[in-house]
Parts: sequence; C-alpha cells; structure tokens
Amino acid sequence: EDQVTQSPEALRLQEGESSSLNCSYTVSGLRGLFWYRQDPGKGPEFLFTLYSAGEEKEKERLKATLTKKESFLHITAPKPEDSATYLCAVIYNFNKFYFGSGTKLNVKP
Amino acid sequence: DAGVIQSPRHEVTEMGQEVTLRCKPISGHNSLFWYRQTMMRGLELLIYFNNNVPIDDSGMPEDRFSAKMPNASFSTLKIQPSEPRDSAVYFCASRQGGSFPTDTQYFGPGTRLTVL
Repeated sequence: EDQVTQSPEALRLQEGESSSLNCSYTVSGLRGLFWYRQDPGKGPEFLFTLYSAGEEKEKERLKATLTKKESFLHITAPKPEDSATYLCAVIYNFNKFYFGSGTKLNVKP
Repeated sequence: DAGVIQSPRHEVTEMGQEVTLRCKPISGHNSLFWYRQTMMRGLELLIYFNNNVPIDDSGMPEDRFSAKMPNASFSTLKIQPSEPRDSAVYFCASRQGGSFPTDTQYFGPGTRLTVL
C-alpha cells in the first residue's frame, strides 16, 4: 500500500537545539518529494523540492535530504519563528500526489 | 501581488444547503488546484485545472462536489447538498507552468467551512 508517514507528530525544541524531521514513503515511481511549512490559519508555504536520492537543498536554518526510502528536514539552531507544521508531499506513479500528516514543531525561547 | 485570494474566509451553513467557495489565482498563473484539509485526513488534492480546463478530478469525494473555472482569474468549488462531514478548511493554490502540482505552488489563506 502506498504510504507517506511523517514523524514525530509533534516536536518541542529549545531555541538553538538542532533536530531532524522525518518523512518516510513507500510508493512506486517517485517523481518528486516536497517540503512545505504551514503556519496556523494559513496555507502551506513551499520550501523545497527533491527529485533523486542523494539530493540536498538548503535554505537558512533548514536542510532537506532524500534517500530511496525517506527524506529528512534538518533544522540547525532553530529559532521560535521556525515554529510551524512541516508537511512533506510526494508525486508518484506519474500523477498521484499525496501529503503526509505533518510534524508540528514548537521552538521555545 | 495580492497572492491567491479566497472567499469567504469562514462559512457556516446547515446540512443540505448549497455552498460555493471562490478563488482568484495569482495573475499569470495557468494552473489552479483545490485542496481540502481535515485533522483526520490531512491535506487532500481534490481537483486541478490547467489553462481553465479540469485535468484530474479523481480526488473529488463524490458527486455533491463540483468545480468550475470559467476564466483564468476565477474558480469555484461547489458543494450541493452539504453534509457535516464536509466541514474542513478548503485551500486553493495556483502556479505558473505545467499542470501537475509540483514546486512553487502558492496557496491561498483557505476557507474554513462548518456544516451544522
């Protein structure tokens, strides 16, 4: 069964405490994996696209990586403004598009 | 740029009533997507348009849901009749380029629908 699973569901960090969010997938014919950030009461905001295993993308304190089974979103020295829900999504099997359930990140000052 | 505009932002209606949600994509974008977000099912793609033409509506839950895009600057998602299980936040997104959702989709603020 095709699946996209994000873990943990929720993560609390102290400001400056680096960590990683996970998005594991069991789909056939992966065409791309995407990371979005969603703030409360707002629509998702695009962060990264990864297309092949070994690929990495960086933006400020965020770095996304991709393997054949999973993707990680590494957060280095997070700040309170990084608090949000982080969603991953995959395109697979030519035209199927599926979002994970998200990881809610809370960074305390 | 004003971004993707959705209206209304909040809608409360009673079961059986018709509901129409509206979306104005970013000017110049030729692909438009409708999503639904609930706690139970997360974010689901309902339908997407390219150059005003519906490309894939396989995510539309049932015949009570319909979507139109009469021109490049306006789309509607209609639910008739509405049911309590339709309660969710409905997002519209747009992008420039190919039809299928990939990177750089711009999401609107969403419409929170409550069906009593």
